[in-house]
Amino acid sequence: NAGVTQTPKFRILKIGQSMTLQCTQDMNHNYMYWYRQDPGMGLKLIYYSVGAGITDKGEVPNGYNVSRSTTEDFPLRLELAAPSQTSVYFCASSSGQGRYSPLHFGNGTRLTVT
Amino acid sequence: AQTVTQSQPEMSVQEAETVTLSCTYDTSESDYYLFWYKQPPSRQMILVIRQEAYKQQNATENRFSVNFQKAAKSFSLKISDSQLGDAAMYFCAYRRGQGAQKLVFGQGTRLTINP
Repeated sequence: NAGVTQTPKFRILKIGQSMTLQCTQDMNHNYMYWYRQDPGMGLKLIYYSVGAGITDKGEVPNGYNVSRSTTEDFPLRLELAAPSQTSVYFCASSSGQGRYSPLHFGNGTRLTVT
Repeated sequence: AQTVTQSQPEMSVQEAETVTLSCTYDTSESDYYLFWYKQPPSRQMILVIRQEAYKQQNATENRFSVNFQKAAKSFSLKISDSQLGDAAMYFCAYRRGQGAQKLVFGQGTRLTINP
C-alpha cells in the first residue's frame, strides 16, 4: 500500500519557468489537499478537493492551479515560478467518511526557485 | 479567521525528563479539532495526538498527553520520559469540526533532546 506518493522529491526551477508537482493516492480517498511549508514555518493550505471535478482555494492559492480529473490524482501547477514559491510542498488525502478521517501526508517535494 | 500560535520557537529537555510545548488558538467556532504533529528531519508529518473540542477529557497517547483548556483556548502537549527519537519539529494545528480537513498550523517548536 503506497499511500500518498509525490513526485519529484526535489526540483530546482529558474524564475519564470513552469512545472507540475504530481500527487497520487491509492486509498480511494475523496479529499485531497496541497500544503506548502516555508522554511521554519508551519504548513499553509494552497488548494483542496472534495472529489473528482471539484476544487477550491485554500489560504495561499495565488500563483498555483490545480485539477482533479480522477479520484487518485491531484496535480499542482506552477505557471510562472517566483522565488517566493521556494518551499516544501506536501500533498495529503483523507477519506472524508464519518465525522473524522485521518489525514495521510506524502513525503513532500522540496522546490527551489532561483 | 482561525489562528494558531506557538510561542516557543525552540525547547530542549534532558533525556527521560518531561517537557511541555505550548499552543494557543483563536476561533469563534464551538465544534473543532486540535492536533499535534511531529516532523522529524525526514520531513514526514506524523500525527501525535488529537483532541475533539466537545470532549472535556484530555487526550493521551502513551507518553504524550495534552492539557486542553477550552475557555482559555490553550492546547499544550506534554511529553513524558523524553527519548532521543522525540527530537523533531512539533506543530499544533486546528480544524473545524465538519467538512474538509483544512488544517491551520502554528509556526512550530523545535524540540531538542539532550542525552
